[in-house]
Amino acid sequence: KNEVEQSPQNLTAQEGEFITINCSYSVGISALHWLQQHPGGGIVSLFMLSSGKKKHGRLIATINIQEKHSSLHITASHPRDSAVYICAVRLNSGGSNYKLTFGKGTLLTVNP
Amino acid sequence: DVKVTQSSRYLVKRTGEKVFLECVQDMDHENMFWYRQDPGLGLRLIYFSYDVKMKEKGDIPEGYSVSREKKERFSLILESASTNQTSMYLCASSLRFVGTDEQFFGPGTRLTVL
Repeated sequence: KNEVEQSPQNLTAQEGEFITINCSYSVGISALHWLQQHPGGGIVSLFMLSSGKKKHGRLIATINIQEKHSSLHITASHPRDSAVYICAVRLNSGGSNYKLTFGKGTLLTVNP
Repeated sequence: DVKVTQSSRYLVKRTGEKVFLECVQDMDHENMFWYRQDPGLGLRLIYFSYDVKMKEKGDIPEGYSVSREKKERFSLILESASTNQTSMYLCASSLRFVGTDEQFFGPGTRLTVL
């Protein structure tokens, strides 16, 4: 079983809609990352969270440590938001804790 | 801005060839990583390095080796390429200290092994 689960796998929205992508994890973590990958492109870090909520422009990320759950919200979605969104966690496993464990990603398509 | 560059965007090799993928970062990061990304499997860690000449195996190191002779450069080596190593390969780097572990990714190399 993957330690990081994302839902949905695929999401299609109309421009302007409010979008939510979910990430659940099964073990203790010290940080959670949300990443964005455009088609054919590299990966960009959007947020790093260890508690609470962060906002950057139209993007909001929240995390509930007790429930082992994080959400990424996009307000007023736009076609340029179309990308794969990836959740990644740094486990509380000690030792080599530089490593991230990744979800499989959510493919978001925003239609005009 | 951190810049992570990879030697090729696209590469086509034949089965059995030795393949070198190069990654260079310009921000004096201690940590460097090599991942492969496959549809339905997400990103999987092949190897990482936390200092010059230091390396640790990731989740899928079989068939790969790495080299870190200089801090800014991390090479992934496929000793004898096989078709199941056809994939997108991504390099990343980050600072050493816990709590500042944002990883900066390169643009990726799409490798096809025929």
